[in-house]
Amino acid sequence: AQKITQTQPGMFVQEKEAVTLDCTYDTSDPSYGLFWYKQPSSGEMIFLIYQGSYDQQNATEGRYSLNFQKARKSANLVISASQLGDSAMYFCAMREQGRRALTFGSGTRLQVQP
Amino acid sequence: EPEVTQTPSHQVTQMGQEVILRCVPISNHLYFYWYRQILGQKVEFLVSFYNNEISEKSEIFDDQFSVERPDGSNFTLKIRSTKLEDSAMYFCASSVSGALSYNEQFFGPGTRLTVL
Repeated sequence: AQKITQTQPGMFVQEKEAVTLDCTYDTSDPSYGLFWYKQPSSGEMIFLIYQGSYDQQNATEGRYSLNFQKARKSANLVISASQLGDSAMYFCAMREQGRRALTFGSGTRLQVQP
Repeated sequence: EPEVTQTPSHQVTQMGQEVILRCVPISNHLYFYWYRQILGQKVEFLVSFYNNEISEKSEIFDDQFSVERPDGSNFTLKIRSTKLEDSAMYFCASSVSGALSYNEQFFGPGTRLTVL
């Protein structure tokens, strides 16, 4: 079974608008961390935001926020005021307690249109 | 800002040859990782390394693969006898700690391995 599911292979958004990238996860572990990474066309993986399973508040980092709904096992990334430079692949990932590995989803390709 | 570096950026090799991919993790980091990404697919975990030994590995990390920290700065991934299906982008990553809470893994720019 997929541990991380990203159901949107591609998304379009107009510049300056907000966009939500979906991520659902599957774990029976009560303690875990959720991560979002950005991969531009140049290929590097850039960390964006982290949410711990016990965090009471949704994580925010500048224009990025994470809409964490624990009961629904979803951790959607919200990008506000999209910029052309936000065009990239976005990967959701999870790390479970006691494990070192990040498990990644299949990614969403975001294209920001002027 | 400190960063993970990887060399070479692109490696082309013949099937059956050995390759060594090199990484310099961030200097105060203690945990090191290798991931790979086959073109157009998701990023997959290979192995984690701490205190000079493997702390976790995936099913992909079979006997063809090995990792080493030969000195105080480098972290290497060796593939003994490359196969066509080893063609992928290989990412090295490092983190300060192994604790779950806010344990960001910093990724290097990757080495693209092409096996002919």
